[in-house]
Amino acid sequence: DAKTTQPPSMDCAEGRAANLPCNHSTISGNEYVYWYRQIHSQGPQYIIHGLKNNETNEMASLIITEDRKSSTLILPHATLRDTAVYYCIVTAQGGSEKLVFGKGTKLTVNP
Amino acid sequence: ETGVTQTPRHLVMGMTNKKSLKCEQHLGHNAMYWYKQSAKKPLELMFVYNFKEQTENNSVPSRFSPECPNSSHLFLHLHTLQPEDSALYLCASSQVSRSGYGYTFGSGTRLTVV
Repeated sequence: DAKTTQPPSMDCAEGRAANLPCNHSTISGNEYVYWYRQIHSQGPQYIIHGLKNNETNEMASLIITEDRKSSTLILPHATLRDTAVYYCIVTAQGGSEKLVFGKGTKLTVNP
Repeated sequence: ETGVTQTPRHLVMGMTNKKSLKCEQHLGHNAMYWYKQSAKKPLELMFVYNFKEQTENNSVPSRFSPECPNSSHLFLHLHTLQPEDSALYLCASSQVSRSGYGYTFGSGTRLTVV
């Protein structure tokens, strides 16, 4: 699986958009970009995934660059409950392969 | 409740004890996983089961013994653990070969070895 690079930490004001970047320059054509988050001492939670096109669901939006070498997770209106570690993971076959977690980005939403 | 249930939520055991962690998924998935998360470290994949068959063992010490009797249940049997095995143990499930579906994780078992 391709490796990913994320900033170790970010801060965001409550109510503002949180934009979390991820670099995956060695991504292969059949690999998806997945985002999970882990709130303190809980199990990771699936957020969103994509292959080539931008995606949006009730939790977030995923913007993938045209060359697929990087992506951005957008939380449009961050709340205090969005404080968590966010993981960007690249994996083949749309999630049926094993997920390998890195260190992620610790997002702190401030009041 | 995520659809993946882990019990117990907390466990304290001595180094000579034998205990088991249980995971049950109610999602109809056919793959299950054990992860370990030590303090301030990334999640480490321990075992992978596809269709009840173990397909991956990431060099896990033999004091951890997984069991998957059917596609809905996964156990992790523990014996003669060390204090450094204290960690959050997470179970997850997924549907293999079904594009677009991620993993669903349980809430984990917080294990303390004394």
